[in-house]
Amino acid sequence: AQSVTQLDSHVSVSEGTPVLLRCNYSSSYSPSLFWYVQHPNKGLQLLLKYTSAATLVKGINGFEAEFKKSETSFHLTKPSAHMSDAAEYFCALGGGGSYIPTFGRGTSLIVHP
Amino acid sequence: GAVVSQHPSWVICKSGTSVKIECRSLDFQATTMFWYRQFPKQSLMLMATSNEGSKATYEQGVEKDKFLINHASLTLSTLTVTSAHPEDSSFYICSAPGAGTDTQYFGPGTRLTVL
Repeated sequence: AQSVTQLDSHVSVSEGTPVLLRCNYSSSYSPSLFWYVQHPNKGLQLLLKYTSAATLVKGINGFEAEFKKSETSFHLTKPSAHMSDAAEYFCALGGGGSYIPTFGRGTSLIVHP
Repeated sequence: GAVVSQHPSWVICKSGTSVKIECRSLDFQATTMFWYRQFPKQSLMLMATSNEGSKATYEQGVEKDKFLINHASLTLSTLTVTSAHPEDSSFYICSAPGAGTDTQYFGPGTRLTVL
């Protein structure tokens, strides 16, 4: 069975400071990993994805994530938070021939002025 | 990138009525689409897999007679909430995988409020 664990339900940062959203996964096959962002009352927007190419993946809006197989992690980072980054972030695990991703519970990013 | 639309974006209805939500893939074909339900401050819960030209596959605990799914074409899936009740109020989101990938593209969601 595969699973995704987002370690923090809430992360609070000040504008201009770095962001770290943590995600760990468990999978019996080579995973595909995704980060999605959801603003209030909106659908999910793909930020970035890892599909066995480069372990450091760059996404939209200055976000990036690093796949670390030894740590079974795929943490999302951004050097400098912006107020518009405040949203819900979901880590998801795919692959293994299934189109249905396994979602983490989500992390709410709060950005203070 | 692939675009998925949903209509309506929000709907308010009276208890006992039925509501239809449409999910369209705008620039690609989708033989499979997925319907999710999301409660406030929670993750997405997969309700069913919509298959073009065949019956939908429902997740355990989801009433198929309550949530009717029709995938009439390669670009359209509909979810009908029949005899809606206040407990059906939720945010419903659809998605479709991009061609040849396991990347899901999500619709903007539909907020259903049942009075």
